[in-house]
Amino acid sequence: KNQVEQSPQSLIILEGKNCTLQCNYTVSPFSNLRWYKQDTGRGPVSLTIMTFSENTKSNGRYTATLDADTKQSSLHITASQLSDSASYICVVRDTNAGKSTFGDGTTLTVKP
Amino acid sequence: EPEVTQTPSHQVTQMGQEVILRCVPISNHLYFYWYRQILGQKVEFLVSFYNNEISEKSEIFDDQFSVERPDGSNFTLKIRSTKLEDSAMYFCASFWSGYGYTFGSGTRLTVV
Repeated sequence: KNQVEQSPQSLIILEGKNCTLQCNYTVSPFSNLRWYKQDTGRGPVSLTIMTFSENTKSNGRYTATLDADTKQSSLHITASQLSDSASYICVVRDTNAGKSTFGDGTTLTVKP
Repeated sequence: EPEVTQTPSHQVTQMGQEVILRCVPISNHLYFYWYRQILGQKVEFLVSFYNNEISEKSEIFDDQFSVERPDGSNFTLKIRSTKLEDSAMYFCASFWSGYGYTFGSGTRLTVV
């Protein structure tokens, strides 16, 4: 069964600090991995998308990495802002069924 | 940037009543989805729709649920006889392989 596990479940950091969120998956065969940001009560918004051959992808202060060999991805947030407080969801798509598996998300709280 | 539009933003209904949630996906996308998210829980897949028919559905998507794309633009989710446990945020998404999902802002369904 395809699984996507995210850690930590929740994280509290001070404004201006950096943080790294983890995503481990068992989805196979792998097509792509996406990180989404979901503000409370809103739909998820895409941050990055990476295919098998991509190791890193940046979007402003967000940098995602992918190690397809170990089936791990991380999302690094630099110089956090209060507006970064949200749930960050890792979504992995497989090639065969074209189905996406969602992680449970990491809830990030940035405090002043 | 193209958006997925959902209406209404909030729907309150009595248990046993029928509700229709509406979505206008991005026009040149070919794949459409409904997801739900119970408060505090992860996003759950309900159904995918391609070429005017259901391509996949989850075990959640039982006979009480149906989807339609009646006029080539609107994409609707109907719940025939709502239950208390149907209370959740319902997200519509359209998908393009080069980008991934674009989610709507969601409809908060409250069944009383």
